[in-house]
Formats: sequence, C-alpha cells, structure tokens
Amino acid sequence: SALTQPASVSGSPGQPITISCTGTSSDVGGYKYVSWYQQHPGKAPELIIYDVSHRPSGVPDRFSGSQSGNTASLTISGLQAEDEADYYCSSFTTNWVFGGGTKLTVL
Amino acid sequence: QVQLQQSGPGLVKPSQTLSLTCAISGDSVSNNRAAWNWIRQSPSRGLEWLTRTYYRSNWYNDYAVSVKSRVTINVDTSKNQFSLQLNSVTPEDTAVYYCARQIATAGTYYLDYWGQGTLVTVSS
Repeated sequence: SALTQPASVSGSPGQPITISCTGTSSDVGGYKYVSWYQQHPGKAPELIIYDVSHRPSGVPDRFSGSQSGNTASLTISGLQAEDEADYYCSSFTTNWVFGGGTKLTVL
Repeated sequence: QVQLQQSGPGLVKPSQTLSLTCAISGDSVSNNRAAWNWIRQSPSRGLEWLTRTYYRSNWYNDYAVSVKSRVTINVDTSKNQFSLQLNSVTPEDTAVYYCARQIATAGTYYLDYWGQGTLVTVSS
C-alpha cells in the first residue's frame, strides 16, 4: 500500500490508542486531505475523519486526527467495545491512495 | 440522506468483462461539488482506487494507472447512476468492489458515502 499503517493495535476499554499513517511529501505531507475510515467486518468503510482533523456530524468526539510532516494519526481517546474494527487512512492528491489498514482490538 | 445501491454479477469468467452499476439516491450524479468513484478491496491489494467521474460543465474521468487500459466508467444521467466496466479480468481482479461519493470542492476532499459493496469472483 502507498501509506504505511501498523497491522494491529489493541487497548482496553477507556484507554486511548493512536494509529499512525506514514506517507511521503507527495501525499500525506504535501496535502491536507488525509481522511480516516472505520470498517466493521462485512461492511463498507465509513468516514470518521476528513481533512486531517475534521469529524463528520454523528462521529463521536473521542475520535480525533492530527498530522505532523509525512505522518498522520488517528486517536481514539477512550476506547469502547464498538470501536473494534479495521481503520484505514487515505490521502487525496490527484487520486486516492490508501493505507494497508490497522486492526483495532478492544481487550 | 445519500444512498448508493450497487448491482451486478458476483461471478465473472476469466478474460470476460466485469460490469457493475451504482444507483444514486439523495444526490445527483451531475452535482458539480461531487465526484463518483469505484474502489476495490482485496486481501492482497487492500483498498485500491480504480476510477472516478465528475461533472464540471463537462464530464471528466480519471483512471488508476494499474487498470487504465482495461477500465471504463460511464454515467447515465436519466437513471442517476454510474457504472464500471473492467475488461479482460483475471483471478487477481477478485475483490469487493465499492462505489463511493467524493466531496470535491476547493479545500476539501473525502469519500463520505459508500455503496454496500459487491464481491466479484473471477473464476471459470
């Protein structure tokens, strides 16, 4: 995949976790169009963060995004059981590039 | 509320053409602030963007380099839908295919609505 994410992360309910997404100056570092998607098994991805740090309406405020240089990050401030899912970052340049996905396990 | 409803066969023979349609409700395919995408997902390739169409006084299409020679995207404004055709398929094209709306205005770009996904298996 064009963007690099950890294959898996885990945490206990109530704990914070962060998922990183590393690209290059040609994608993540060069544009402010990083978005994050949550995908539950058998479902389509759902947008949870766009333009690095903006939350669509209806997304809980425990989800937040940030960026430093060529690395974007998704933070979930207090894990809940329903947050167990796969998470994908993406960057829009002229086309869409995606990360390989991170499996979040809530212990 | 925007909804994208996908349709098309789930099994395609090698060397044949994969065809999928995405019907839009709650928005117009001619929305000049949106673009309409096809994206696929497989265990080996992850999420892979394939193609996009959008209307800005004229219709424009973009294609991923990896499939450019084999892919076509079409729009049917009378039915408010768009479609994907992928020619000369091989087992490597086996994937879940999604259509997705992209918000595409100056200063913001994201994929906010997705179809339900169609598992397409390429096999004889």
